[in-house]
Amino acid sequence: DQQVKQNSPSLSVQEGRISILNCDYTNSMFDYFLWYKKYPAEGPTFLISISSIKDKNEDGRFTVFLNKSAKHLSLHIVPSQPGDSAVYFCAARGSQGNLIFGKGTKLSVKP
Amino acid sequence: KAGVTQTPRYLIKTRGQQVTLSCSPISGHRSVSWYQQTPGQGLQFLFEYFSETQRNKGNFPGRFSGRQFSNSRSEMNVSTLELGDSALYLCASSLLGSGNTIYFGEGSWLTVV
Repeated sequence: DQQVKQNSPSLSVQEGRISILNCDYTNSMFDYFLWYKKYPAEGPTFLISISSIKDKNEDGRFTVFLNKSAKHLSLHIVPSQPGDSAVYFCAARGSQGNLIFGKGTKLSVKP
Repeated sequence: KAGVTQTPRYLIKTRGQQVTLSCSPISGHRSVSWYQQTPGQGLQFLFEYFSETQRNKGNFPGRFSGRQFSNSRSEMNVSTLELGDSALYLCASSLLGSGNTIYFGEGSWLTVV
C-alpha cells in the first residue's frame, strides 16, 4: 500500500509558465517532507523540504506548500525552464525514521 | 566537498551470482542508506546504517544485506541474483540519519541476465 502517492506520472508545461507537481500521503503522523529532482543516469538531487509545522517554504523559483488537513503537498516552479525537465520525487519521513518516496512525476518543460 | 561516491557504476551479472556494491558517503556523514529504483516502483528503501550498525530495514528478502565500516563507507550485497534484481541501486548519506535530508550518489546500474 503506497503511503506517498504522486498520481500524475507526467506533466508538460511551457517555458516561463508555472509547473505544479502534486503529492498525497496517507499517514497524518508524517512530519517532514522533501522534494528531489532526478535527471536520467544521475542520482536524485535534493531540492527543498518542509516541516509539518509550516505550510509553505520557498527557495528561489521553488515553493513547497503543505496542506496537512488534506494530506497533500505541492511543488511550484516559477518560472519553469527547460533545464527543469526531470523526474520529481516527493518523500515523507516515515514512522520508522526513513524516507518514503513516491513513484515520481516526469516534468517536461517545452521551449 | 566530495559527494557520495558509488562503485561500480554499471555491471552485468548472471542469475544465481552474487554482487557487492560500494558507497563512500560525504565526509562527516555517519548515516548511509540504500535504495532500489526500478521502472514504475520509485525509490524503495533497503536499509540504513549508522555508525556501523543497521538502524533500519525495508521490506526486502534476506538475499539483500549490507554493512558499514568504521570510516562510514558502506557495502551492500545481493546473493543468488534474480532477473528482478535488475535495477538502479542508490546510496545516500546524511549527517543526522535517513529520516532527514539525504544526499544521493549517482547509483550503480545492475543488470541480471
